[in-house]
Amino acid sequence: GAVVSQHPSRVICKSGTSVKIECRSLDFQATTMFWYRQFPKQSLMLMATSNEGSKATYEQGVEKDKFLINHASLTLSTLTVTSAHPEDSSFYICSAGVLSGANVLTFGAGSRLTVL
Amino acid sequence: QKEVEQNSGPLSVPEGAIASLNCTYSDRGSQSFFWYRQYSGKSPELIMSIYSNGDKEDGRFTAQLNKASQYVSLLIRDSQPSDSATYLCAVNRNNNDMRFGAGTRLTVKP
Repeated sequence: GAVVSQHPSRVICKSGTSVKIECRSLDFQATTMFWYRQFPKQSLMLMATSNEGSKATYEQGVEKDKFLINHASLTLSTLTVTSAHPEDSSFYICSAGVLSGANVLTFGAGSRLTVL
Repeated sequence: QKEVEQNSGPLSVPEGAIASLNCTYSDRGSQSFFWYRQYSGKSPELIMSIYSNGDKEDGRFTAQLNKASQYVSLLIRDSQPSDSATYLCAVNRNNNDMRFGAGTRLTVKP
């Protein structure tokens, strides 16, 4: 089955620094990947849709200049949290999948970001 | 109205009982429906997918879909303590738009 790898699984950084999270589809090509954020005891919130070779589509209320998304190849999308602050501390999860026919998403293991 | 609604729970059932999880959605044009299980601190994993009205069974899990009522449910038979998790209902409105419910927290007591 489809496997999505996400790295790093945990990151702790100082306020004001930038953090990059990678999402890779290991055994399939993903023209579209999705980035979610999940705060404790809350559901997944879609942040943006990452499209290979074009600009990401951001959900309302998500700052595109703060959450930079790059989808340079069919197997890799990156999310960079720029100038991170404590309120950005969250669980960030990417997903990808075959979005035709079965429309099944596979999730990465998630990245827990803690901003001090 | 939220796009995908679930009771947040917690839902508590004894071991061996049937757990029933419900979900409603607002977009009548939705075509694909999913149940994901999420353990605390982990990412969601797919349990069931359903695309047409009726029931779909997979082991101890049965998904039910009623598009006329815009309703999806998940039944877990012979519930086990290891089933204790948050269950997320997801609805795919079109090929690039998956929306999740807030999740229902299930606790199965030994």
